[in-house]
Amino acid sequence: SAVISQKPSRDICQRGTSLTIQCQVDSQVTMMFWYRQQPGQSLTLIATANQGSEATYESGFVIDKFPISRPNLTFSTLTVSNMSPEDSSIYLCSVEEGTGGNEQFFGPGTRLTVL
Amino acid sequence: QKEVEQNSGPLSVPEGAIASLNCTYSDRGSQSFFWYRQYSGKSPELIMSIYSNGDKEDGRFTAQLNKASQYVSLLIRDSQPSDSATYLCAVNSDTGNQFYFGTGTSLTVIP
Repeated sequence: SAVISQKPSRDICQRGTSLTIQCQVDSQVTMMFWYRQQPGQSLTLIATANQGSEATYESGFVIDKFPISRPNLTFSTLTVSNMSPEDSSIYLCSVEEGTGGNEQFFGPGTRLTVL
Repeated sequence: QKEVEQNSGPLSVPEGAIASLNCTYSDRGSQSFFWYRQYSGKSPELIMSIYSNGDKEDGRFTAQLNKASQYVSLLIRDSQPSDSATYLCAVNSDTGNQFYFGTGTSLTVIP
């Protein structure tokens, strides 16, 4: 499976600031996804990012709060804007690949704490 | 209604026993089913995928799917302390565009 890296691995941020999370894949992939995992919770899909098109956001998530870039087939960024303590979470990127074409593999995650 | 339901546990089994993890889903049109293992502080790791009714075995892991009952399970044979983790069930939507994750079952294997 693809090797996925994320930067930063963790950060502590002040309320009202923004943080951009990077996701790098070692091979070209069509579908990339951004998830949030809040403490003690399961994964919630924020948006799907395809190269060359606008990201598709899930219900409850908006572009102004979580702008996403997908400049090429190996890289994506997620920005968490105007942060509040409720944004404290682990943010994960994933890519879709596999024999069935739809297995998802996750990056190591970014642990964000907002004070 | 939640898309994917799992017992949160915790589930405790002695070393060497069989651990049985269960998952039900609501979207009858779902076609793809996955089990992920997540160690504390780590990201989810895919351990099994299953697409058709019946059993699929991979080493000590067996996934079982029953689409009529909308039920998928994971059996871990000869459980080891290193199997202690949270196991997440994931289901691909009917349209194939979204994964729905359960809340996970916490498994502890007692030496």
